[in-house]
Amino acid sequence: SQTIHQWPATLVQPVGSPLSLECTVEGTSNPNLYWYRQAAGRGLQLLFYSVGIGQISSEVPQNLSASRPQDRQFILSSKKLLLSDSGFYLCAWSSQGGADTQYFGPGTRLTVL
Amino acid sequence: ILNVEQSPQSLHVQEGDSTNFTCSFPSSNFYALHWYRWETAKSPEALFVMTLNGDEKKKGRISATLNTKEGYSYLYIKGSQPEDSATYLCASTRSARQLTFGSGTQLTVLP
Repeated sequence: SQTIHQWPATLVQPVGSPLSLECTVEGTSNPNLYWYRQAAGRGLQLLFYSVGIGQISSEVPQNLSASRPQDRQFILSSKKLLLSDSGFYLCAWSSQGGADTQYFGPGTRLTVL
Repeated sequence: ILNVEQSPQSLHVQEGDSTNFTCSFPSSNFYALHWYRWETAKSPEALFVMTLNGDEKKKGRISATLNTKEGYSYLYIKGSQPEDSATYLCASTRSARQLTFGSGTQLTVLP
């Protein structure tokens, strides 16, 4: 069966520090991978998605970047965190595109102070 | 930008009551509509994916309908139980592109 892992579960970082959040998927090949953020009081916002190794699409301009160095690994990064980067970050995978169910990881709660 | 709206934003019902909420989305270039349940301290969990106008899906006491011509979907819960308490998210996609989520309906079922 497929499983999706995210770490760390929680993170408190100072403004201006770098960020690296990791997501890995097991039990499937060539998944579509997604990074979402839920800011306080708001819905899920798609940040990045990837249909293959090295292929990243950004949905909104921001202070973050994503990379997919391996088929089942998706990394969310920042060189310098802003206060507005605080939120709950979810990684998800699907077999294909928009009509396929997405399966979410446990999430990372990021607080930038 | 795809606008997906959900209402109400939050809802309190008594155990045993039936309830429903709405998701509205642009009907042009519609591809699929998803419903997810997000319980506190857990990951969002898929309930339904619907693609055809008039689709109706059911999972236990939860069902959903889809009207792609007018751009809305209803989620129904029959005989609500405390374990149904969660945020219910809908998401729409156009032309096989990525999902756009609504802000969710937060349901609290009071015992």
